[in-house]
Amino acid sequence: DAGVIQSPRHEVTEMGQEVTLRCKLISGHNSLFWYRQTMMRGLELLIYFNNNVPIDDSGMPEDRFSAKMPNASFSTLKIQPSEPRDSAVYFCASSLSETGELFFGEGSRLTVL
Amino acid sequence: GENVEQHPSTLSVQEGDSAVIKCTYSDSASNYFPWYKQELGKRPQLIIDIRSNVGEKKDQRIAVTLNKTAKHFSLHITETQPEDSAVYFCAASKGNYQLIWGAGTKLIIKP
Repeated sequence: DAGVIQSPRHEVTEMGQEVTLRCKLISGHNSLFWYRQTMMRGLELLIYFNNNVPIDDSGMPEDRFSAKMPNASFSTLKIQPSEPRDSAVYFCASSLSETGELFFGEGSRLTVL
Repeated sequence: GENVEQHPSTLSVQEGDSAVIKCTYSDSASNYFPWYKQELGKRPQLIIDIRSNVGEKKDQRIAVTLNKTAKHFSLHITETQPEDSAVYFCAASKGNYQLIWGAGTKLIIKP
């Protein structure tokens, strides 16, 4: 298996634009996490899915952020409209279970100008 | 809520020496404590973990110890090598999906 695959790896956009980040899980994993990493705030859990169902979205900063999991192997994180303070590295991670080892993707580095 | 404090924020050691990173947690119900390593520009990766029914676990040059009474756990790396240079994160959970992360320790191995 190629591991968790994220795209794009780098995204530079202007304030107000829509950003869509994509994640392909490891086959057979049923838990999906979206994290945001910044120097100031460290690793923050944005949303957790189990078996394609959003279980905890309390970490989603505001209504500008939304996440979907249309099937067992794919998820998207959308920011609309984007703001400079959204600049960060966004990781998705999958796991065999909610308590198992997290397998992170390479991350998507987002810069909002 | 649960809080995990990690110290030091930066640790510089001579190659070949040992490194110790410490974390304390606040919720006595926490029972799972993983450590992740993140090399510069890379993804975090699990290097070792421990559950509350065990006091110590070793895997080659790395070991983790847990003191439930004091609510702290530590990562020990012996015979450090240049490839050990990275940021190390501790975390704690109560056996569910919610991992509470430490702020990270930047480990520098001096040649």
